[in-house]
Amino acid sequence: QSVLTQPPSVSAAPGQKVTISCSGSSSNIGNNCVSWYQHLPGTAPKLLIYENGKRPSGIPDRFSGSKSGTSATLGITGLQTGDEADYYCGTWDSSLSVWVFGGGTRLTVL
Amino acid sequence: EVQVVESGGELVQPGGSLRLSCAASGFTFSNYPMSWVRQASGKGLEWVSSIGDGAGSTYYADSVKGRFTISRDDSKSTLFLQMDRLRAEDTAVYYCTKAAGQQLGGQSCYHMDVWGKGTTVTVSS
Repeated sequence: QSVLTQPPSVSAAPGQKVTISCSGSSSNIGNNCVSWYQHLPGTAPKLLIYENGKRPSGIPDRFSGSKSGTSATLGITGLQTGDEADYYCGTWDSSLSVWVFGGGTRLTVL
Repeated sequence: EVQVVESGGELVQPGGSLRLSCAASGFTFSNYPMSWVRQASGKGLEWVSSIGDGAGSTYYADSVKGRFTISRDDSKSTLFLQMDRLRAEDTAVYYCTKAAGQQLGGQSCYHMDVWGKGTTVTVSS
């Protein structure tokens, strides 16, 4: 059972938009920044979003992040088949003094 | 090019030990916290351990506390994970990650901006 809760799977058609939620508590999301990672099987995970809503260089603006209270959301617009991957949220938990990941969400582009 | 490359993963018997290494290049290694993250087959990402810049602070997941030790050699830009008393459930791909970010107004705003391709640890008899 992950400290951060994500839906196991989401799906949408090419060109459409999808959102992935990440729910936590005041000791993690509520008081620390959230980052998001994309992981394709057999490859290194990649940073998509940091400090709740900032994109690293090279990440297209189709990817966005937001945070409100103890929840965070990853948004992906203009879905492409290449976006099919597992997506993870992550943050520091100040009470436990550990880094925590969500359980991961498998995105399927139908 | 900024990169980290893991090595040391192999097949080991339950109760055995293994030392993973992570060679960093393209950035000033000593300035950044580093972490290990693992993924068992069919499972999600699991944070294992982190070490602060300057090796002042170390942190561990409960699942490995007391069995794993994280360390770094800044002179060689290398991160290590000493794994003792290994269990079958430690079987996973282990990723080395570089941290970036800062404390912002009391909030921890760190993230893992560079990941290696991973090294596979298999614990089995």
